[in-house]
Parts: sequence; C-alpha cells; structure tokens
Amino acid sequence: DIQMTQSPSSLSASVGDRVTLTCRASQIIRTYLNWYQQKPGKAPKFLIYAASSLQSGVPSRFSGSGSGTDFTLTISSLQPEDFATYYCQQSYNTPYTFGQGTKLEIK
Amino acid sequence: QVQLVQSGSELKKPGASVKISCKASGYTFTSHALNWVRLAPGQGLEWMGWINTNTGSPTYAQDFTGRFVFSLDTSVSTSYLQISSLKAEDTAVYYCAKSKDGYVGHFDYWGQGTLVTVSS
Repeated sequence: DIQMTQSPSSLSASVGDRVTLTCRASQIIRTYLNWYQQKPGKAPKFLIYAASSLQSGVPSRFSGSGSGTDFTLTISSLQPEDFATYYCQQSYNTPYTFGQGTKLEIK
Repeated sequence: QVQLVQSGSELKKPGASVKISCKASGYTFTSHALNWVRLAPGQGLEWMGWINTNTGSPTYAQDFTGRFVFSLDTSVSTSYLQISSLKAEDTAVYYCAKSKDGYVGHFDYWGQGTLVTVSS
C-alpha cells in the first residue's frame, strides 16, 4: 500500500496568514493527489484533485502543487472558517490511502 | 443538487450486525462509483472500498474483507454497508462518498456520516 505522510501534524496560525501544508507519498504517484478539509462532526469537503485542480466552489485562496512524491496545499490568507483538519489522499492505485491529517488551529 | 443522505446513528452489542444506508440524489446514480470511508476515534480517514453502481460489483480494501459487505438497490439509488460480527474496534463514523468522474478515486460529495457504536 502507498503510505501518505503529512507534515506538520498540527499547526497554529492567525487569520490572514499564508500557510503551507505538506504531503509525501511513499512511492511516485504522478499527480494523483487530492486534498480534503474536515471540521469536527462534519463530512470531509473536497478541495483539490489531481494535485492542483480546484474543485468548483472552493475559494481561490486554496491552491495545490506537486508531482511525484511531494505535494503542498497552500492557503494564501487564512480565514476563520479555514481552521480544520486537512487530509491528503492518493488515487494512484487501490487501496486509496489518506494521510494522517494536519490540524490547523487558531493561534 | 447532489446529495448523499445516510441513515442514523446505531448502538450495537458486540457480535451483532448493522446495515447502514446511503441514498443518493441529484445525479445519475449508476454513472459514479460509491465509496465507503471510515473515521475511527483518534484516527484518520480510511478508505474501505467501493462498489460499481453499474454492475453491483464491490471491491474491498484488505482490512475490510470478510465482515463488511457493500450492496446496492439501484431502484432507489441507495447503497448499503453491512458489518457483521461487530467488535468494539468497529466503533467509528462511516461515510459514503461519490467518485467525482465515473470511477475515479477522488470523492466530490460525501454523506453526513453514520456513527456506529459497539458496546456491551
């Protein structure tokens, strides 16, 4: 199985900050990398697919990049509603696997 | 609009079975795979597998073979997850999630989740 490792596991930031979350795959997955946002008690929300394609309706302050094994999710200017846990997920092959998550907290 | 609506929370005793439903609306049900994802307490998201909504053929991740069964009723655009011989470690929130394009491995719409609690 492909292991997905996210860093950091948690991050404190302030409204207006630019933050970058990292995700690394245990093998090359080309650009088969997706990002989700999850808030407590809610279903995950689909943000980005194919490493850098923004899902319809997702604010443009979210962006993704990377290919191969190393990927990033950047939020250009944090808004109060962005504090949540973020998961990366590879869809290169099954079983599809998620990272352990990065919890983004208010400083 | 696309919606996936899951059945409500369940409290079960060890050894019992549970069947969770996921009713889809707002899109052509048989054109997109339906996936199941687990979120156990203190853990991250875990993909359990998917069901081909056209053929009814399920695919299970290795950790979810044997006691877990995906099924369909296309007449009501609904998928089901049945778990048998429940154990305490099956306590989790279970989500259904629709593949964005056909049968690809990224999921654009999710059900609200169903909490299954296994306790004596």
